[in-house]
Amino acid sequence: EAQVTQNPRYLITVTGKKLTVTCSQNMNHEYMSWYRQDPGLGLRQIYYSMNVEVTDKGDVPEGYKVSRKEKRNFPLILESPSPNQTSLYFCASIRLGGTHGTQYFGPGTRLTVL
Amino acid sequence: KNQVEQSPQSLIILEGKNCTLQCNYTVSPFSNLRWYKQDTGRGPVSLTIMTFSENTKSNGRYTATLDADTKQSSLHITASQLSDSASYICVVSDQTGANNLFFGTGTRLTVIP
Repeated sequence: EAQVTQNPRYLITVTGKKLTVTCSQNMNHEYMSWYRQDPGLGLRQIYYSMNVEVTDKGDVPEGYKVSRKEKRNFPLILESPSPNQTSLYFCASIRLGGTHGTQYFGPGTRLTVL
Repeated sequence: KNQVEQSPQSLIILEGKNCTLQCNYTVSPFSNLRWYKQDTGRGPVSLTIMTFSENTKSNGRYTATLDADTKQSSLHITASQLSDSASYICVVSDQTGANNLFFGTGTRLTVIP
């Protein structure tokens, strides 16, 4: 079954404690992306990756890092989380080339930074 | 500025009734428009995707229309069910690459018995 998985699904942490949210897809998609979703603001792109070792900033990259060492994994790293990073995070992947295919979203990670 | 605006922000309808959600966009050059359904606490799931040459596409009880001239799209839900309660998100791509996706803030639909 084609899917995007994220872990953890829920996380409560404290300011400044480094954390990583993992994302993995089994569809061999080139393109992966991280979004945060906040009430009234919709989905906003944090970082995206067009392929292995190729990453780029989205609309709201401050305070986040990503890496793409393998095609299937695209972890989101918060080196020093702050309360304004409390949000619902989604990872997504899409196959590039031809007409644009469907973007598959993960189930989401709800992060609370105290 | 590339934007996607959805209306209404929220909607409550009785089970069995039809409803229509709107999406207006200013994204240019236009590539495609997608509608997603997002259940509370879950990731968005694709309903339809339409390119410039398509003006209607159906997925079961969901029918999306696209008017590329007026830059408007609508999602029509027929014979609503309680399970249709969700947020519906309109996403527009431009032609510059897969990374250029512009998201609407969604319409929150509640179907009541």
